Amino acid sequence: AQSVTQPDIHITVSEGASLELRCNYSYGATPYLFWYVQSPGQGLQLLLKYFSGDTLVQGIKGFEAEFKRSQSSFNLRKPSVHWSDAAEYFCAVGDNQGGKLIFGQGTELSVKP
Amino acid sequence: SQTIHQWPATLVQPVGSPLSLECTVEGTSNPNLYWYRQAAGRGLQLLFYSVGIGQISSEVPQNLSASRPQDRQFILSSKKLLLSDSGFYLCAWSVKAGGDTQYFGPGTRLTVL
Repeated sequence: AQSVTQPDIHITVSEGASLELRCNYSYGATPYLFWYVQSPGQGLQLLLKYFSGDTLVQGIKGFEAEFKRSQSSFNLRKPSVHWSDAAEYFCAVGDNQGGKLIFGQGTELSVKP
Repeated sequence: SQTIHQWPATLVQPVGSPLSLECTVEGTSNPNLYWYRQAAGRGLQLLFYSVGIGQISSEVPQNLSASRPQDRQFILSSKKLLLSDSGFYLCAWSVKAGGDTQYFGPGTRLTVL
């Protein structure tokens, strides 16, 4: 069965520091992979997605993610974090069969001034 | 452009009362529609999804039901709310054969007392 693991429940970084949020998936074929961000009390906003092709994907707000098939990972990165990046981040995998997504448990990001 | 609406934004209901949450999508036709619940400190749980009018699939047995009376309208209901129904309810839509990308509404915060 498909699954997504986000090993870090909560991460704190200083403003201006680099960020990497981890995501590991379990899926038999080439997955469709997503990162979403959720600010408190808000819906989820799509940051980026990977379907095929270049394994380094650029998204909105300066985020990028790299698909590594050998490691079954799709980690999210940002070179310099801003205070407004404080939010919860969800990784998800889809199989293009019925359109369902499987979400990880989320990683809450706090940003220190 | 497509937009998704949910109402109400917040709701406080007593145990045993009925529930009706509404979700509507504009700017697209024949979308897949989804209801998720997000309990405090937990990830997203897919409750229902629909690929067309009157077609509802339930992901987990529970005290809730869903209906899709019109192409772009998705309703989440309960006859008698339980304390455990409290949470943040998110509606989402996706394009069929669109690679599973889901777009989320702003959510409804439900508190059952």
